[in-house]
Amino acid sequence: SQTIHQWPATLVQPVGSPLSLECTVEGTSNPNLYWYRQAAGRGLQLLFYSVGIGQISSEVPQNLSASRPQDRQFILSSKKLLLSDSGFYLCAWSGTPGSYEQYFGPGTRLTVT
Amino acid sequence: SQQGEEDPQALSIQEGENATMNCSYKTSINNLQWYRQNSGRGLVHLILIRSNEREKHSGRLRVTLDTSKKSSSLLITASRAADTASYFCAASGGSNYKLTFGKGTLLTVNP
Repeated sequence: SQTIHQWPATLVQPVGSPLSLECTVEGTSNPNLYWYRQAAGRGLQLLFYSVGIGQISSEVPQNLSASRPQDRQFILSSKKLLLSDSGFYLCAWSGTPGSYEQYFGPGTRLTVT
Repeated sequence: SQQGEEDPQALSIQEGENATMNCSYKTSINNLQWYRQNSGRGLVHLILIRSNEREKHSGRLRVTLDTSKKSSSLLITASRAADTASYFCAASGGSNYKLTFGKGTLLTVNP
């Protein structure tokens, strides 16, 4: 069966510090991968998605970036965090043939102080 | 965009009652999905309804889709306290599996 992992679960970082959030998927090959951000009490904002290694599409211009160094690994990064980067970051995968459903990881709670 | 918008924003009911949540979207879709999120957790897929379907059932869940009105509804029958969560609709209109989520309905089921 497929599983998706995210770490860390929580993170408190000062303004201006770098960021690296990691997401890995097990039990599937060539998944589509997604990074979302959810502000408190709000819906999900799609940040990046990837349909293959090295292929990244950005949905919202910002100081975040994403990379996919391996088929089942997706990394969200920032060189310098802003206060507005605080939120709940969710990774998801999809791609079971013929299926549009997305499967989410447990999320990372990021607080920028 | 195919953005979904849920209505109401919050709903509080008693255990055993039915809960109905509505969703509207803006453009044509391939399918519409509903997800559930417990506080502080990831989202869990509940049900998908394709654009050529009008109604779909899964256990205590019933989803309807009206493409002429660009709207969908999620009915949870015989609600339980464990159904307390936020519920999101998500519209899919393209071939690359991208979804556009609404802001969600917070459902509280009181025991």
